[in-house]
Formats: sequence, structure tokens, C-alpha cells
Amino acid sequence: AQRVTQPEKLLSVFKGAPVELKCNYSYSGSPELFWYVQYSRQRLQLLLRHISRESIKGFTADLNKGETSFHLKKPFAQEEDSAMYYCALSEPIQGAQKLVFGQGTRLTINP
Amino acid sequence: DAGVTQSPTHLIKTRGQHVTLRCSPISGHKSVSWYQQVLGQGPQFIFQYYEKEERGRGNFPDRFSARQFPNYSSELNVNALLLGDSALYLCASSINTYSGNTIYFGEGSWLTVV
Repeated sequence: AQRVTQPEKLLSVFKGAPVELKCNYSYSGSPELFWYVQYSRQRLQLLLRHISRESIKGFTADLNKGETSFHLKKPFAQEEDSAMYYCALSEPIQGAQKLVFGQGTRLTINP
Repeated sequence: DAGVTQSPTHLIKTRGQHVTLRCSPISGHKSVSWYQQVLGQGPQFIFQYYEKEERGRGNFPDRFSARQFPNYSSELNVNALLLGDSALYLCASSINTYSGNTIYFGEGSWLTVV
């Protein structure tokens, strides 16, 4: 079965420090990978997707097929980055688009 | 433009009862998906509806069902509620079922089964 693993449930870093949220996946085909973020009292929203190869709010994520990873990185963390982050893989199933989520990492940026 | 809207936001039910949750997708989106999020875990796919037909189902029993209306809104129904059904139920919409689509989520409906 397709699987997404986020090994850290909690991650705490100081403002201005680099951040890396880890995500590993298992998938038999070519994966479509996403990072979703949930800020306090807000809905789950897309942060970025690997197919776009873009940087959003200073975050980037590179797909490494050899290591089956899609880690999320930011060189200088800001307090407003504190949130819950979910890595997700899109799996076609019976003609549908199914997102398989990791357990999530709660990122706290300390002042 | 309004995002995905869900109702009710919170509800409490008793074991064995039935519940209906409602969802309106973003205007122009024809696909609606439902996810269950248990505390401490990521969302889990229940099923997706597109053009009023179920297109895919996750590992959930037949007690979970849904339908999609001509205006693309959707209802999730859960019968014979169990304590383990207590969770946040998320509705999500997308333009269609293409695997690279961005999926937009609602704020969810918190269901507590007592």
C-alpha cells in the first residue's frame, strides 16, 4: 500500500534558524507529492506541490526519488511558520484522486 | 469567492444513531471528496464523488455512504454510529479527478459519538 511517513510529530526551532520537515513515501509509480499546512484555527491548505517546483513563503521541497523523500525546507524560520504540516501523496484509485497523508508534524518557532 | 463550506461545525450523537454532514464545493468544482481525521493523525480518504457518481472508496465500511447533487454539493451519511467514528470529517473539492489537481479543504465537521 502507498504510504507517507513523517517521522517527527513535533519539531521546535528558534526564529531565524533553518527548518527541515521530513517526509518519506512508498509508491510504486511516479508520485505526485504535496505539502499541506494548517495554521491555528484555520483550514487545511496547500503549501506547495512538487510538480510546480516553486517556493511558497520561503519554503521549498525537492522530490528525491532515490531516497523516496520530499522534505520541506526553509532557510530562516519565522514565528508565523508555527503550524501543523502534512505531507501527502496523490494516488489514483478507481478513477478518483486520493490523497494519502502522513501523520503530520507540529512545527513551533520559538522567538 | 467562498471556499468549501461544511455544516454543521460540531455535533454530538449517540451510539447507533445516524448522522448526515453537508458540503458545498468551490464554485466550478465538480468533484467532492470526504476525509476522516482522527485526533493525532492525518486525514484518511473515505471516498470521492464526481459527476454524482462514487469514483473511489477508501478502507471504510458500508455504514459510510454519500451522494452528490446536481449542484455538486454533497452529503456524507454514517449509519449505526460507533464510538470510533468520533472524528473531524473534512470535505474537499477539486475541479475534476486528475491526480495532479489541487484539492481544497473545508473547515470540517466535528463529530462526537457518546
